[in-house]
Amino acid sequence: SQQGEEDPQALSIQEGENATMNCSYKTSINNLQWYRQNSGRGLVHLILIRSNEREKHSGRLRVTLDTSKKSSSLLITASRAADTASYFCATDRGGADGLTFGKGTHLIIQP
Amino acid sequence: DTAVSQTPKYLVTQMGNDKSIKCEQNLGHDTMYWYKQDSKKFLKIMFSYNNKELIINETVPNRFSPKSPDKAHLNLHINSLELGDSAVYFCASSPWTGLSGNTIYFGEGSWLTVV
Repeated sequence: SQQGEEDPQALSIQEGENATMNCSYKTSINNLQWYRQNSGRGLVHLILIRSNEREKHSGRLRVTLDTSKKSSSLLITASRAADTASYFCATDRGGADGLTFGKGTHLIIQP
Repeated sequence: DTAVSQTPKYLVTQMGNDKSIKCEQNLGHDTMYWYKQDSKKFLKIMFSYNNKELIINETVPNRFSPKSPDKAHLNLHINSLELGDSAVYFCASSPWTGLSGNTIYFGEGSWLTVV
């Protein structure tokens, strides 16, 4: 069954603005990851946050995790046109399940 | 020096045909996967292999058969192709399975269109 669900499905903002995407999931997890997919390309890992962490930063990316609400958010600050892509959250429950991906948020940065 | 490479990138074929997609990773990873992404971009795991052994086999038709000749290769063979098989198939690999914290490295995808 689908684990992560991203919100919104699509987001269009002006270059320089911040972009926030949310992810909700249903079962307990070991960690949650965010991936980016450019049009016509494979997914690329962005950041991983473990279940005992609440916030993590990587460059212009900020990820939060609230295990009590089973939700995560990805914030991209000072967006650039090159950030235009689809962003997926993926949950890892450990064991042999692998990662379970949501349907993604399509982010468009208007120049 | 591509990390996870899969071929072909594009494949157009008729219903009923049999086709294969090949995948190779040069990252030295123990685990390889096949994912299917549908037209709505939903990405679903199909198979997972760890050191040539099948770990995950999600509910996919038995027309799909993965083959791992060694831990660097995981090929996907599809028999009797149907229209609904049209999708993008991604090969991927990760350093290990069974532990949390796996980061998955994806190939560029194989666009399969069944006509």
